[in-house]
Amino acid sequence: QVQLQESGPGLVKPSDTLSLSCTVSGASISSSSYYWGWIRQPPGKGLEWIGSIYHSGNTYYNPSLKSRVTISVDTSKNQFSLNLSSVTAADTAVYYCARIWRDSGWPICLDYWGQGTLVTVSP
Amino acid sequence: QSVLTQPPSVSAAPGQKVTISCSGSSSNIGNNYVSWYQQLPGTAPKLLIYEDNKRPSGIPDRFSGSKSGTSATLGITGLQTGDEADYYCGTWDSSLSVVIFGGGTKVTVL
Repeated sequence: QVQLQESGPGLVKPSDTLSLSCTVSGASISSSSYYWGWIRQPPGKGLEWIGSIYHSGNTYYNPSLKSRVTISVDTSKNQFSLNLSSVTAADTAVYYCARIWRDSGWPICLDYWGQGTLVTVSP
Repeated sequence: QSVLTQPPSVSAAPGQKVTISCSGSSSNIGNNYVSWYQQLPGTAPKLLIYEDNKRPSGIPDRFSGSKSGTSATLGITGLQTGDEADYYCGTWDSSLSVVIFGGGTKVTVL
């Protein structure tokens, strides 16, 4: 059974860097069939795609966040990570990691999600 | 404001049917697969429909998806109290080069 689990600090200070990791079990992060991505959801609001990574290290970022986002992968640990720099209160959200099924290089759907972790940006 | 437009809410009595629309453009829905996600209160989204109209294993056939042109629709028949949730459509936008989601639709069972 595929499971994803986010981990990282629940409180980050303004202007600092938000860092989260996602540990994958029940599937290999090196599979050619998937991207691995991050999505966030501000309290009471909708979903926003942050970006994704392929096991080769190729990354794809939301242009609105691209200047602040870094996603990396560690295939030896079956993990991938998110760094979001210069955070403000607007970055307060539940952050989800997800597996993204790909076909012919295009993302098709997010078929497995982590439970999500709330990150609050506050002094 | 989301690139994909969904109604904020829909409602119906138990056993009835609801449909949720998702309107986009040729750069997203018109030329890419649509997926639908159910988010029960306090939980992570869950895949309901992929490739416009396919159901993952374990999703009951009460849930269906369709697409025509630049719009997609999620249908739920035999509505149950356990279906009360937020529902999101999602797809790839070829112009923006991002995965995009609709703003979400809250389903209420009266």
